[in-house]
Amino acid sequence: ETGVTQTPRHLVMGMTNKKSLKCEQHLGHNAMYWYKQSAKKPLELMFVYSLEERVENNSVPSRFSPECPNSSHLFLHLHTLQPEDSALYLCASSRVSGGREQYFGPGTRLTVT
Amino acid sequence: DAKTTQPPSMDCAEGRAANLPCNHSTISGNEYVYWYRQIHSQGPQYIIHGLKNNETNEMASLIITEDRKSSTLILPHATLRDTAVYYCIVINAGGTSYGKLTFGQGTILTVHP
Repeated sequence: ETGVTQTPRHLVMGMTNKKSLKCEQHLGHNAMYWYKQSAKKPLELMFVYSLEERVENNSVPSRFSPECPNSSHLFLHLHTLQPEDSALYLCASSRVSGGREQYFGPGTRLTVT
Repeated sequence: DAKTTQPPSMDCAEGRAANLPCNHSTISGNEYVYWYRQIHSQGPQYIIHGLKNNETNEMASLIITEDRKSSTLILPHATLRDTAVYYCIVINAGGTSYGKLTFGQGTILTVHP
């Protein structure tokens, strides 16, 4: 139990669907992150939010749209995804922006059919 | 950030200490050593970090050599639940990569009954 929760844990969606991933942190942290982890590929940082403001968009396609309504919640809105977007999507938080002591959620295993 | 080298795999008997080495011979003065682990199908888990002094927390101990070119993560009493991939990473605390974590291949630790 890391204090970071993610829902859903598993998601199967078609390429024309729209879905959202949710992350919530109960640690009082000020920064939140979205990462993508594909099989046999390194962890990829997608987005960084610091105090609800996006500070990093790591060349992520526009079919991924993040939202951070407050410092405890982070969403990743998905639309018209491709099969190669199938991966484990991980949310993390840290006490300060850019902190490397990050606490991860369990991830959402996404399959795009 | 400096490169790290870890053995690809290690075994440990349950109840014994697991000592995981990491080589970071090109580490610079303002770079920290961080350890994370990832249990199968779960998100990465922060373990510990240090700059030059040895560190201990409830999960593990981190021993850094005096020249800082290598370190050892010690799990004092390994359990089956410690079976995971362990990542040693070196991070420039003053870097501008917005908290990006980059894991290498890591060490697969298998704890046997």
